[in-house]
Order: sequence, then C-alpha cells, then structure tokens
Amino acid sequence: LAKTTQPISMDSYEGQEVNITCSHNNIATNDYITWYQQFPSQGPRFIIQGYKTKVTNEVASLFIPADRKSSTLSLPRVSLSDTAVYYCLVVGLGGYNKLIFGAGTRLAVHP
Amino acid sequence: GAGVSQSPSNKVTEKGKDVELRCDPISGHTALYWYRQSLGQGLEFLIYFQGNSAPDKSGLPSDRFSAERTGGSVSTLTIQRTQQEDSAVYLCASSSYADGNTEAFFGQGTRLTVV
Repeated sequence: LAKTTQPISMDSYEGQEVNITCSHNNIATNDYITWYQQFPSQGPRFIIQGYKTKVTNEVASLFIPADRKSSTLSLPRVSLSDTAVYYCLVVGLGGYNKLIFGAGTRLAVHP
Repeated sequence: GAGVSQSPSNKVTEKGKDVELRCDPISGHTALYWYRQSLGQGLEFLIYFQGNSAPDKSGLPSDRFSAERTGGSVSTLTIQRTQQEDSAVYLCASSSYADGNTEAFFGQGTRLTVV
C-alpha cells in the first residue's frame, strides 16, 4: 500500500489559487490518486481522482507528473468555504481496495 | 437509499455498556469501510468489507470491537464494555469501484460519547 505524505497545514486568502502537493513514492501501476475534502462534523467528500497527466472538474484540478510519484491538487480562487482538511489517497483498483487516510492538510482560508 | 445512512447519529452510553452502530450503504456497493475519528484527528481505519467478507480487520483496536455485514448490505459495528477512550465519531463509507471509479461515499457518522 503506497504511503502518502502531504503538508500538515496551509494558509491562504480569498481569491488566491491553492496548490497542495502529495508525495506517493511507492505508487503501483494500477493505483489511482484520489483527493477528499472534509469539513468539521462531516464525513469526507470525494473531490477528484486521476491516473496520470491532468484532470479537471468543476471543483479542482489534479496534476500528476509522468513518474506519478507525486500529485498536486489545485483549488482555483478559494473562498472562506474552502477551509477544510484535504486528504490525498492512493487507491488500487481490482482486488483489495483498502482506503487509508493520512493526517491530511488543514487549509485555512482568510478574508 | 440516496446516500450512506448511519444510525444513531448520536449515542451517549455509560462506561461498560455495549453499543451497536449501524451503517446502510448505497445499494449495490460491495465495499464497505468503518473508520473512527477523534476530535481534531484524522480518520483511523477500523475494518473493510468486500461483500460479506472482511479481508482486513487489522484496524480494530481491541477484541471489544467487532463488525459484521449481512446480505452484502447493512453493517453493524459493535463495541462491548465501552471505555471512555472509545468516545469518537464513527464513520462508515461504501463504494462500488465500478468502471474505474474509486469514489467512496461517507455517511454523516455516529458520535459516540462514553460517560
């Protein structure tokens, strides 16, 4: 199971772009990279997943370099409501799909 | 149902009592997970079900904790002889892993307080 490492906390201001990088050096060939967001008193919510290159949806973009040993979640023009904990996970499809959440990155968006 | 449902949403129990927490996953989801989250902490993995089988129980903190899943659907997490350190939010998630989609859907959790 690939271990992930991400910053413990980040600060930003409203309107700025936020990039959160996660390292996963031991990622396997059939692993996907997945990001979740968690607000206080709620369960985590899926944001985005990717395998390689760039993925974009209505919430965020995910950049994955060719070696796939890291990934960067990009949140465009953050608002106060983006204050949350963001988790990076590596998930293998097919067989045993254990979901392990690390400590996550606590993002604080300031006015 | 439309999402993952957990019950009760809140539970206060006396130390030493047994409690049962219930999770109703999204219909058709074969994978089901239980996590525990203490205040201000990350998610602690407890157990994973694939269908009715639990290939990984490594996260259960002690033999006071057990879980089962019946009919490939509802799951129950049981904590016997509760202790104060069991106080936490217990989260359940389910996923289908169909069509290359890794998304897991979480319930709102059960907040357990042991007094």
